[in-house]
Amino acid sequence: GEDVEQSLFLSVREGDSSVINCTYTDSSSTYLYWYKQEPGAGLQLLTYIFSNMDMKQDQRLTVLLNKKDKHLSLRIADTQTGDSAIYFCAERDRDDKIIFGKGTRLHILP
Amino acid sequence: KAGVTQTPRYLIKTRGQQVTLSCSPISGHRSVSWYQQTPGQGLQFLFEYFSETQRNKGNFPGRFSGRQFSNSRSEMNVSTLELGDSALYLCASSLNVAGGSSYNEQFFGPGTRLTVL
Repeated sequence: GEDVEQSLFLSVREGDSSVINCTYTDSSSTYLYWYKQEPGAGLQLLTYIFSNMDMKQDQRLTVLLNKKDKHLSLRIADTQTGDSAIYFCAERDRDDKIIFGKGTRLHILP
Repeated sequence: KAGVTQTPRYLIKTRGQQVTLSCSPISGHRSVSWYQQTPGQGLQFLFEYFSETQRNKGNFPGRFSGRQFSNSRSEMNVSTLELGDSALYLCASSLNVAGGSSYNEQFFGPGTRLTVL
């Protein structure tokens, strides 16, 4: 079945850029998403990219999509303490189901 | 506009019992999806309802069931609870179920934390 993989942890110094990577298996994915989950809260959509795009930028966030390698990344510029959270990569598969990765916990170092 | 609400927020049950969780979507949203979140497995899709019909289903046993009412509110039920059912159950609503041109943002509720003893 479809699978979405991402590393579980990332530590970044405040002010540096964070890059969270994700790979997926379903080549017919239409949309790919990045969600953020803060402690005790549900998920919040950060950004998304349509499968025919290579890059999308939204303020401090840059999403890169390599469809050939089925690789998605999220870059957060000038990482702040408020960015500390779990980040989920997700794809919408051919049946319109949203498949999530297990999440990357981003830890900000002072 | 009020967000997605889930009740109850916390629940403690014992093995063998059954439980019903409730989700009220954002006003106007017709699609409701349910997810189980655990530390080991991450977020796993349970099912999706649209206009009172189950449109998609994940790989969970028949003990997990759901329904949607005419006002789009949804409930999920777990019968014969097992220890492994302890998890955060998240509900998400979206405006419609659409392929193609719509990115179909899902809005998540805060979840119901179920503990099975």
